[in-house]
Amino acid sequence: GAVVSQHPSWVICKSGTSVKIECRSLDFQATTMFWYRQFPKQSLMLMATSNEGSKATYEQGVEKDKFLINHASLTLSTLTVTSAHPEDSSFYICSEQSSNYGYTFGSGTRLTVV
Amino acid sequence: LAKTTQPISMDSYEGQEVNITCSHNNIATNDYITWYQQFPSQGPRFIIQGYKTKVTNEVASLFIPADRKSSTLSLPRVSLSDTAVYYCLVVFRTGANNLFFGTGTRLTVIP
Repeated sequence: GAVVSQHPSWVICKSGTSVKIECRSLDFQATTMFWYRQFPKQSLMLMATSNEGSKATYEQGVEKDKFLINHASLTLSTLTVTSAHPEDSSFYICSEQSSNYGYTFGSGTRLTVV
Repeated sequence: LAKTTQPISMDSYEGQEVNITCSHNNIATNDYITWYQQFPSQGPRFIIQGYKTKVTNEVASLFIPADRKSSTLSLPRVSLSDTAVYYCLVVFRTGANNLFFGTGTRLTVIP
């Protein structure tokens, strides 16, 4: 089946710095990738939809200038959290649509901003 | 997007069969029902998907009645390693579309 590789699995950064999270589709060309955020004991919340070669579509309430998404190729999408603050600490997960009905998720990245 | 409703949590003893029911009253003709499993600090993992009647794979069964307004995930003989959150999602048949994650059901398997 489809495999999505997400890196890093965890990262700690200082407040005010930027962090980049990568999501690679290893055996499938992902035209569209989705980025989710999950706070402790809560469900996944969609942040943005990333389309290869075009601008990402952000969900309401998600700051596009803070969460920069780049999907330059069919196998790589990146999420950059700019000027991170402690409230950005969360679990970030990417996902690709690997078939008409199936979605494959990355292993997630736990971001801690100190 | 069709919303889903499931119990927030369930407990079960090891070796028992667990049935988790999900309501999706607004499901559309082209929607499929998909279940995912999520362990702490991991991304969701696909379990099973179906459109109607019954689907079975090596890990679970999915029962969908004729009106498709609900579905039941059945996990046979659960073990401690099945402790996780289980999400029921309704997925549109064609085209890329985002997934709406409801609350999920937190299953705790007790020794």
